[in-house]
Amino acid sequence: SQQGEEDPQALSIQEGENATMNCSYKTSINNLQWYRQNSGRGLVHLILIRSNEREKHSGRLRVTLDTSKKSSSLLITASRAADTASYFCATERNSGNTPLVFGKGTRLSVIA
Amino acid sequence: DAGITQSPRHKVTETGTPVTLRCHQTENHRYMYWYRQDPGHGLRLIHYSYGVKDTDKGEVSDGYSVSRSKTEDFLLTLESATSSQTSVYFCAIGSQNTGELFFGEGSRLTVL
Repeated sequence: SQQGEEDPQALSIQEGENATMNCSYKTSINNLQWYRQNSGRGLVHLILIRSNEREKHSGRLRVTLDTSKKSSSLLITASRAADTASYFCATERNSGNTPLVFGKGTRLSVIA
Repeated sequence: DAGITQSPRHKVTETGTPVTLRCHQTENHRYMYWYRQDPGHGLRLIHYSYGVKDTDKGEVSDGYSVSRSKTEDFLLTLESATSSQTSVYFCAIGSQNTGELFFGEGSRLTVL
């Protein structure tokens, strides 16, 4: 079953605005990752945050992790039309060497 | 880009026929995965492999089998395709050091 659930399912914003996507998960994790998927393409890794980290930055991306609430958020600042894509969170469970489990994704549309 | 290729990229077949999808990597990663992506379900794990001849089932493994006889190749076989297996199939390879996955471009399978 899905471990992570993204919220909202779809998001539409104007270029230049910030986009925030949330991910909730169910079990203890080693790390949480965010991926991006352009239409018709494979997923591309964006950022990984470990369970002992609370915040991480990469360019215009900011990821937070709250293990007490079992949730994470991905913030894209100053969005661009090229950021239009689906964004997925994925969790590595804290139960040995287990594969990543993906959520259903958030579809982001950035309107120029 | 990670050296990972999937073949075929598109296939149309009939119910009851066998189908094999191939994933080939040039990165020498031990970890390889097959996911399927369907609207409303996100990515779901079918099978995975942590090395040659070391494979295991994911959450939606019924109707699928895999083989890993060489580090670079991970084959997914549908012994007798059904319409419910119409999907986009993604292969991914994993970095044991960083934990991130690298995805292929996907194989779109239609079962009529």
